[in-house]
Amino acid sequence: QSALTQPASVSGSPGQSITISCTGTSSDVGSYDLVSWFQQHPGKAPKLMIFQVSKRPSGVSNRFSGSKSGNTASLTISGLQAEDEADYYCCSFAGTTTFNWVFGGGTKLTVL
Amino acid sequence: QVQLVQPGAEVKKPGASVKVSCRASGYTFTSSYMHWVRQAPGQGLEWMGMINPSDGNTRYAQKFQGRITMTRDTSTSTGYMELSSLRSEDTALYYCTRDLTDWGQGTLVTVPS
Repeated sequence: QSALTQPASVSGSPGQSITISCTGTSSDVGSYDLVSWFQQHPGKAPKLMIFQVSKRPSGVSNRFSGSKSGNTASLTISGLQAEDEADYYCCSFAGTTTFNWVFGGGTKLTVL
Repeated sequence: QVQLVQPGAEVKKPGASVKVSCRASGYTFTSSYMHWVRQAPGQGLEWMGMINPSDGNTRYAQKFQGRITMTRDTSTSTGYMELSSLRSEDTALYYCTRDLTDWGQGTLVTVPS
């Protein structure tokens, strides 16, 4: 199972919006609405930000939103804040043959 | 609240095995899958496998097939991940996670080269 493809880095200024893409295949992202996004600050465990493509767990800011089109999922962060600077990972269910899950390579978000 | 407690660190020799524990509390242990995810130093997240604590059924990433075993003890609400034939490339933080939602703090496994 190949990793999902994410840009290595994105950046934006405070108050701006950014979008991080996550490209998979018709066997994973394209077939299931089971895409999650995680935020990870240095030295910390990952934190769930989005699940099932576009749902936010309780306590996650509504500045974070998710969507999917075809084999590509996206995470959008609006009104960028300094605290959003972190690594972001997407993750998708990869099919009922193996019942495996697959992560993206991660994207470093820099708030300028 | 959900808590997943893992030991802090393990150091193992090449060729040895490591068994990492994950003690769960704050939810019904048998109602959620426990996944294991690892992160090598400076690298991304890698899904290793999962176990259904209710029946012990497991699914492993192909990469680890043959040298990974996940088990659970429902009497203590603890999940275990054992990785054998360790090599230096297995040096990583190993996380347990409930349904890829709540995460433990990770166990650093070091395999010196």
